[in-house]
Amino acid sequence: DAGITQSPRYKITETGRQVTLMCHQTWSHSYMFWYRQDLGHGLRLIYYSAAADITDKGEVPDGYVVSRSKTENFPLTLESATRSQTSVYFCASSATGSDYGYTFGSGTRLTVV
Amino acid sequence: QKEVEQDPGPLSVPEGAIVSLNCTYSNSAFQYFMWYRQYSRKGPELLMYTYSSGNKEDGRFTAQVDKSSKYISLFIRDSQPSDSATYLCAMSEGGSEKLVFGKGTKLTVNP
Repeated sequence: DAGITQSPRYKITETGRQVTLMCHQTWSHSYMFWYRQDLGHGLRLIYYSAAADITDKGEVPDGYVVSRSKTENFPLTLESATRSQTSVYFCASSATGSDYGYTFGSGTRLTVV
Repeated sequence: QKEVEQDPGPLSVPEGAIVSLNCTYSNSAFQYFMWYRQYSRKGPELLMYTYSSGNKEDGRFTAQVDKSSKYISLFIRDSQPSDSATYLCAMSEGGSEKLVFGKGTKLTVNP
């Protein structure tokens, strides 16, 4: 299916565990982004990538790791999950940067217990 | 001062009302302006896009940009219960510069 897909949709994990959230897009968009969305904070950028093998930190990168070995995939790893990382995570992509906006995935709702 | 300010609401209106949603911003270099709609437990979806100043209309939706006042608006005419969602404004200088989002306004349209 064409589009941007995130998996899993829901995840419950324990404090201290490593967890990876997956993001896959079929358009070969150059830019990909990871956001977290929390009540009162809105969307906050965690990491972004302008192309394969190029990644950079956003507003709230601590505790997260990303990689982008292929254009279509942009996984987000929480190295040692903490309760403060309980959130809804959105992946987004764009062909041309910010000129025409981003296309978002459906999100992953992560709960750290 | 945040780059983009948006009243979080919530905003509750009766069906058929005209809804006005607004954002203010501080960066005069912004030239791309967007509105996203986000239904509960879904990702944001691009609703309206405007380049520079002026108005843009799409059905019941009108987006306005006033760069001199650093103020953007989204108007919804004849609002419907299906318009109940959170609306986020977003803006950018363009190119490789990232989108800057407002925190969103939650709208409920009551039948």
